[in-house]
Amino acid sequence: SYVLTQPPSVSVAPGQTARITCGGNNIGSKSVHWYQQKPGQAPVLVVYDDSDRPSGIPERFSGSNSGNTATLTISRVEAGDEADYYCQVWDSSSDHPGVFGGGTKLTVL
Amino acid sequence: EVQLVESGGGLVQPGGSLRLSCAASGFTFSSYWMHWVRQAPGKGLVWVSRINSDGSSTSYADSVKGRFTISRDNAKNTLYLQMNSLRAEDTAVYYCARVGAVAGSPFDYWGQGTLVTVSS
Repeated sequence: SYVLTQPPSVSVAPGQTARITCGGNNIGSKSVHWYQQKPGQAPVLVVYDDSDRPSGIPERFSGSNSGNTATLTISRVEAGDEADYYCQVWDSSSDHPGVFGGGTKLTVL
Repeated sequence: EVQLVESGGGLVQPGGSLRLSCAASGFTFSSYWMHWVRQAPGKGLVWVSRINSDGSSTSYADSVKGRFTISRDNAKNTLYLQMNSLRAEDTAVYYCARVGAVAGSPFDYWGQGTLVTVSS
């Protein structure tokens, strides 16, 4: 089955740029979606189809995807961005289509 | 406004059963594929199961195949997850989630989750 690999944690100072990676075999050929989850809350979609933003998501959130790595970039990080972030793809070749990365805890220093 | 509201979670003994429900509103439920995703305490998101819009096709993670059954009642705008032969490792918050109408769409709406605890 398809595996997505994320770093367990990323730390960044307020105002700086955070980059969270999601590795997978030829992930550049898939559409990657990103979710933000704060403690005690349900996940929220922040980027879909590699780089599109749902309405209401700040432009500070952006994404890219190429080769074996997809990246979620958060510019001008704010304290309120501290959360867990998950990447997700659909594995159409599998009978278990839904695949999530292990999640990355973003800490704002 | 799209809303997904789960219910049915609780404490159950190993080997027991539980049925989760997810009441949907604010959209044409019968037009969308629906999924269950779970999250063990302190752990990440794990996809569990999905069902197509008319209920004719389902899929399960290996860890729950043969024990869990996903279903839906489009007349009642409700998604279900029947969980049998529960194990301690099934302890988790269970979320129902909608995927967009286009193939490959993300989970665009999630419920608030319902906690299932399997313990003696």
